[in-house]
Amino acid sequence: SQQGEEDPQALSIQEGENATMNCSYKTSINNLQWYRQNSGRGLVHLILIRSNEREKHSGRLRVTLDTSKKSSSLLITASRAADTASYFCARMGGSQGNLIFGKGTKLSVKP
Amino acid sequence: ETGVTQTPRHLVMGMTNKKSLKCEQHLGHNAMYWYKQSAKKPLELMFVYNFKEQTENNSVPSRFSPECPNSSHLFLHLHTLQPEDSALYLCASSQVDRGLAGAPNEQFFGPGTRLTVL
Repeated sequence: SQQGEEDPQALSIQEGENATMNCSYKTSINNLQWYRQNSGRGLVHLILIRSNEREKHSGRLRVTLDTSKKSSSLLITASRAADTASYFCARMGGSQGNLIFGKGTKLSVKP
Repeated sequence: ETGVTQTPRHLVMGMTNKKSLKCEQHLGHNAMYWYKQSAKKPLELMFVYNFKEQTENNSVPSRFSPECPNSSHLFLHLHTLQPEDSALYLCASSQVDRGLAGAPNEQFFGPGTRLTVL
């Protein structure tokens, strides 16, 4: 499959804990992006990491990229109930500018 | 607010109806996308318009017909749909850099249209 694979498919944690989601892919990339989707809504871009970067931070988010292993991880520190959502990784697919999304990780943060 | 609006937000239609979904972006982007999101399936790219020209049609059945009259508006015309077409239809836009072939930029999504086909 061309699509990336996130794991785990579902993750349930307590507020205050850290959440780690992983993404694997099969082809070379220019960049890899992470998105968040609240139930039944549109996706929101979180962070973009370029192929020559190894780590990137944005607030409580930390993304790592290992191009040799074709994998990326998203870490959310000190999680909050409001972080409950599905998280997707996306990479280049096909023509210029297109993205292919993975199946997502459904994160549930319990108060 | 992402700068991408979609109407209607919810739509229920019979299999013989004709309806249209509308998407508008206020971001000055030059590329627009339609995605389909079904329960338990990954987000599926349906159509891509770069600079108002359709550049991708991912084997979508002809009962879905896109239209991009200008760089800010995108429509999806629906005709003779099937119950399995029930899904969340998402529109997105992005700025595509001609000089950086294949480097995807951030996409901005609308809230989606929840479509139910009876």
